[in-house]
Amino acid sequence: QKEVEQDPGPLSVPEGAIVSLNCTYSNSAFQYFMWYRQYSRKGPELLMYTYSSGNKEDGRFTAQVDKSSKYISLFIRDSQPSDSATYLCAMKGTNAGKSTFGDGTTLTVKP
Amino acid sequence: KAGVTQTPRYLIKTRGQQVTLSCSPISGHRSVSWYQQTPGQGLQFLFEYFSETQRNKGNFPGRFSGRQFSNSRSEMNVSTLELGDSALYLCASSLVQGFEQYFGPGTRLTVT
Repeated sequence: QKEVEQDPGPLSVPEGAIVSLNCTYSNSAFQYFMWYRQYSRKGPELLMYTYSSGNKEDGRFTAQVDKSSKYISLFIRDSQPSDSATYLCAMKGTNAGKSTFGDGTTLTVKP
Repeated sequence: KAGVTQTPRYLIKTRGQQVTLSCSPISGHRSVSWYQQTPGQGLQFLFEYFSETQRNKGNFPGRFSGRQFSNSRSEMNVSTLELGDSALYLCASSLVQGFEQYFGPGTRLTVT
């Protein structure tokens, strides 16, 4: 069983929709939680970086962490065609540089 | 500020050959991590370097090695290439070990 499981997708939504992307994990040592966006033929781009449980908002993006359920989510409000990409969740413990990634969810936002 | 740069961007090699990939981190960043990305396995951690020392290592065979120079630039080497080594190799840099990582565009390696 993988340490990080991500909803596989693909996900297709109309422009303006609210998108929910989700990951679960099994390692209780994970303290830092990240969301990356990866466009085709590009490297992942860091979107959100949160520590421990709670919510963090940045523009149209909200990251939510529930450590008691070992569940993290990324919400995208008012989704745009430019949001079409693969979204990767990642997490790590307090001291290790190693990040463990989910397999990614491919999102398509249709105009 | 310039981002993470990786060279070359594309590479085609034959089974049994060896390859060296290069990564220049963001100016001021001292930590460099390497990842392999494939459709079947996703993003998998190879190793991390900080201050010229390997700090963490993933579950890859000894054919995969790396190093970091005093200017924080890093190289990774794969010897005796196998078909399964075909992948996108990504380098990520961070200010200090374990902090927010910023990825380069990757080197796409194809082994024939």
